[in-house]
Amino acid sequence: DGGITQSPKYLFRKEGQNVTLSCEQNLNHDAMYWYRQDPGQGLRLIYYSQIVNDFQKGDIAEGYSVSREKKESFPLTVTSAQKNPTAFYLCASSLGSSYNSPLHFGNGTRLTVT
Amino acid sequence: RKEVEQDPGPFNVPEGATVAFNCTYSNSASQSFFWYRQDCRKEPKLLMSVYSSGNEDGRFTAQLNRASQYISLLIRDSKLSDSATYLCVVNMGRDDKIIFGKGTRLHILP
Repeated sequence: DGGITQSPKYLFRKEGQNVTLSCEQNLNHDAMYWYRQDPGQGLRLIYYSQIVNDFQKGDIAEGYSVSREKKESFPLTVTSAQKNPTAFYLCASSLGSSYNSPLHFGNGTRLTVT
Repeated sequence: RKEVEQDPGPFNVPEGATVAFNCTYSNSASQSFFWYRQDCRKEPKLLMSVYSSGNEDGRFTAQLNRASQYISLLIRDSKLSDSATYLCVVNMGRDDKIIFGKGTRLHILP
């Protein structure tokens, strides 16, 4: 079955450590996205990528980095520069703008930094 | 003006009632529009796309008004299982940037 896989589901880290969240899709989608959600809040866009080897900053990119070396993978690194990293992180993919297609989400990763 | 704005919640509605949500967007070049549903501590799931001509899926009706830059969602004969947060989603049309509204919480009361 096609879908998006995020791992791990729960992640705990000490303050000052970088951590990388995994996102893999086998839907053959061109576009991939990372969002962050805080309790009781909406989704905020961190980074997105329309094509391999290219990505754009979203509204809250500071303290995060991404790579898109393969079409199916879009890992997100939360660096020690991110001031409030504890949140629910959601990865999504879509066919891309030429199709005006909806987003398909992974199950998310809950990151807790202490 | 925020890029995507939704009606503030929560909406507390008796079972069987009809409820409507609105969502406004700032960019007139926005290309596509969606409603998502999110249950507590889960990922958002697509409820329906919104087409220019309006579209219906069972008890749910979505409409788009490009002149006034808003979309709406109507839920008829609401069920207890409709309790969730409803997210308005807009593809801004530039670089394929997709923005979510903050969501409207709906509680269906027995």
